[in-house]
Amino acid sequence: DAMVIQNPRYQVTQFGKPVTLSCSQTLNHNVMYWYQQKSSQAPKLLFHYYDKDFNNEADTPDNFQSRRPNTSFCFLDIRSPGLGDTAMYLCATSRDPTTNEKLFFGSGTQLSVL
Amino acid sequence: GNSVTQMEGPVTLSEEAFLTINCTYTATGYPSLFWYVQYPGEGLQLLLKATKADDKGSNKGFEATYRKETTSFHLEKGSVQVSDSAVYFCALAGGNNRLAFGKGNQVVVIP
Repeated sequence: DAMVIQNPRYQVTQFGKPVTLSCSQTLNHNVMYWYQQKSSQAPKLLFHYYDKDFNNEADTPDNFQSRRPNTSFCFLDIRSPGLGDTAMYLCATSRDPTTNEKLFFGSGTQLSVL
Repeated sequence: GNSVTQMEGPVTLSEEAFLTINCTYTATGYPSLFWYVQYPGEGLQLLLKATKADDKGSNKGFEATYRKETTSFHLEKGSVQVSDSAVYFCALAGGNNRLAFGKGNQVVVIP
């Protein structure tokens, strides 16, 4: 049974056209993360929510925003996608960000910006 | 800052061969170390972890030992199967508890 679900699996958008990626979880975890993984590169943390508290990474572009309307759902909004934003976007959850507990990942959304 | 380096390039080997994927790290303090695996079409899954020096993590026949003296956490399996074909990521969690990933290694096991 899928526990972290990302939709859609593949997303194509045009340069500059806003796009939203979604993530839902059935684990009731407190923390939800968004990672960006470009081809042949390591996943890079963009930001995370600990409950309703938003924690942005220092080098995440302003173009990337996130919303968490409730425990189960978290969205990644890219306001004006550029060609360089083509990547796999991974959502993950954990119970607590202050321990080294394992993360549970979704299958990812492959975003292509044309 | 914290970083993880994995050996370059995909790894192709025959079924029942011995697998080693090298991982070295740079970190302040005493990080926890992890190996994650990503099977085709799926998300990353935790394979094993070690939280202190000389700990050995193991799961599904895979092992990795936390070597502080060489800052390494190499992944090994004695006899791989076709079903082990996947991408393997080394990662560390340091004082800020952020996970830092390596670039990953594609492993292809040929029957």
